[in-house]
Amino acid sequence: NAGVTQTPKFQVLKTGQSMTLQCAQDMNHEYMSWYRQDPGMGLRLIHYSVGAGITDQGEVPNGYNVSRSTTEDFPLRLLSAAPSQTSVYFCASSSPNRSPYEQYFGPGTRLTVT
Amino acid sequence: DQQVKQNSPSLSVQEGRISILNCDYTNSMFDYFLWYKKYPAEGPTFLISISSIKDKNEDGRFTVFLNKSAKHLSLHIVPSQPGDSAVYFCAASRDLQGAQKLVFGQGTRLTINP
Repeated sequence: NAGVTQTPKFQVLKTGQSMTLQCAQDMNHEYMSWYRQDPGMGLRLIHYSVGAGITDQGEVPNGYNVSRSTTEDFPLRLLSAAPSQTSVYFCASSSPNRSPYEQYFGPGTRLTVT
Repeated sequence: DQQVKQNSPSLSVQEGRISILNCDYTNSMFDYFLWYKKYPAEGPTFLISISSIKDKNEDGRFTVFLNKSAKHLSLHIVPSQPGDSAVYFCAASRDLQGAQKLVFGQGTRLTINP
């Protein structure tokens, strides 16, 4: 099992550009989430999904879109990148049927917006 | 409004001694708590969790204590080892089914000195 994979590992964007961060999991987990980590802020939830076709907003959703067409994939789209979106992005997956309900995280994507 | 707080940005402990990491929360609706460990350039990995119906949970060298009246939890690592040097995040959620919607603290950097 590869677990949770994220691509790319690093990305530099100019203000106004758009891009998609990819996330895939091979554990057949129902739940998937996107977080961003900023210095001194911990991880903050951007969007999450409880199954294919179902998504919802987290704590900091503005400027990001998600969709979930398959159980395995949960891409995060930046519509028009801004310097405030410079961060490290983590994708996570979990299953409500497996105790102790922890989330499995990918290795992260470090994004810089200039 | 920081609902989960880790007030110590860093902690230094001698190898073999006990490490105690603390976490406070403000939302009384939280009833499931987790600790994650993070090495540089990697995603967080799950350590241990506790449900609000318990006040203690042990897993090997790691023990989590929950004091609901004080809205406080702590992670004890005994004995501390050099490989424990990492950033530790506590996280909370409102219910088991909502465990994909985690609220994280800011993290504590633990350094174990030989």
